[in-house]
Amino acid sequence: GAVVSQHPSRVICKSGTSVKIECRSLDFQATTMFWYRQFPKKSLMLMATSNEGSKATYEQGVEKDKFLINHASLTLSTLTVTSAHPEDSSFYICSARRAVVSGANVLTFGAGSRLTVL
Amino acid sequence: AQRVTQPEKLLSVFKGAPVELKCNYSYSGSPELFWYVQYSRQRLQLLLRHISRESIKGFTADLNKGETSFHLKKPFAQEEDSAMYYCALRTNQGGKLIFGQGTELSVKP
Repeated sequence: GAVVSQHPSRVICKSGTSVKIECRSLDFQATTMFWYRQFPKKSLMLMATSNEGSKATYEQGVEKDKFLINHASLTLSTLTVTSAHPEDSSFYICSARRAVVSGANVLTFGAGSRLTVL
Repeated sequence: AQRVTQPEKLLSVFKGAPVELKCNYSYSGSPELFWYVQYSRQRLQLLLRHISRESIKGFTADLNKGETSFHLKKPFAQEEDSAMYYCALRTNQGGKLIFGQGTELSVKP
């Protein structure tokens, strides 16, 4: 089946540094990937839509200069949290869209990356 | 506005009891709805989608456009059904998914 890999699964960094999270589709090509943020015991908040070869589309209220998204290939999208602060500590989840035989698009999720900013 | 509402944060039932997890949506277009499940320490995974009209692990969900609902049901809950359940709406804006707040289902022995 389709697998989406996220790396790192956990990262701890100092305030002010930047952190990059990778999202890879291992056995399929994903023209579109989505980045979500999940707070404890809460829902997933869509941050941005990442399209291969073009600029990401950010949701309202998400700072594009703070959360840099690059979708350089059909199997890789990266999220860079720049100048991280403690309030950026969260669980970041990516998902990739693939087409299935029925014609319906299905999202496959990564396992998530827990960021802790000290 | 596009919105998915799951009114229950926690639903606790005994094994063998029927389960209904509620989901209501607000969307001006033609909705495409999904249920995702997240078991403890595992990633989010698709449970079912309304266009398939399928039953997965004994769960079913029917889209009711009149009531703008997509409730998830199972006649006899099992302990292994304990998990977080998220209802999601796919919009026609790039296919992004909007999630509800999630409902934690706890099935007691």
